[in-house]
Amino acid sequence: EAQVTQNPRYLITVTGKKLTVTCSQNMNHEYMSWYRQDPGLGLRQIYYSMNVEVTDKGDVPEGYKVSRKEKRNFPLILESPSPNQTSLYFCASRTRQGAGELFFGEGSRLTVL
Amino acid sequence: SQQGEEDPQALSIQEGENATMNCSYKTSINNLQWYRQNSGRGLVHLILIRSNEREKHSGRLRVTLDTSKKSSSLLITASRAADTASYFCATDTNTGNQFYFGTGTSLTVIP
Repeated sequence: EAQVTQNPRYLITVTGKKLTVTCSQNMNHEYMSWYRQDPGLGLRQIYYSMNVEVTDKGDVPEGYKVSRKEKRNFPLILESPSPNQTSLYFCASRTRQGAGELFFGEGSRLTVL
Repeated sequence: SQQGEEDPQALSIQEGENATMNCSYKTSINNLQWYRQNSGRGLVHLILIRSNEREKHSGRLRVTLDTSKKSSSLLITASRAADTASYFCATDTNTGNQFYFGTGTSLTVIP
């Protein structure tokens, strides 16, 4: 089954404790991206990756890092989480060529105390 | 911010009625897409319309695009209780790499 898998789905952590949210897709997609969703603000793009070792900033990259060492994986790293990073995070992928739909994971709800 | 806006923020209708939601965006686009999100779940793609298209249909969905007004509308005909969800428009830039989502319309269909 074609899917995008995120882990963990739920996480409560404390300020400053580094964490990683993993994202994996099994569709051989070149393009992957991360979004955060906050009430009243819709989804905002954090980072995206066009292919292995190619990443770029989205609209709200501050406080986040990403890496793309393998085509299927695109982890989101919060080096020193702060309460304003409490949010619902989504990973998505699509084929690189031309137009195409984004395939979303089920989301990771992060709370930073 | 280049984020779009959707209107209305919330919409409540009776089953069988049509639902119309609108999306406005700020910059030139490559494509515009509509997504659906059930409460707290991942988004699911509904329909894509290219910047050189004006109207597109898919089942009970009809999307229009007016690039001169930088706006789009999504019409869901003969709504069902199962259509209850939030609906988001998303635009991508000419490079196709950056996506901007609207703030969403919360649709409730009353059985």
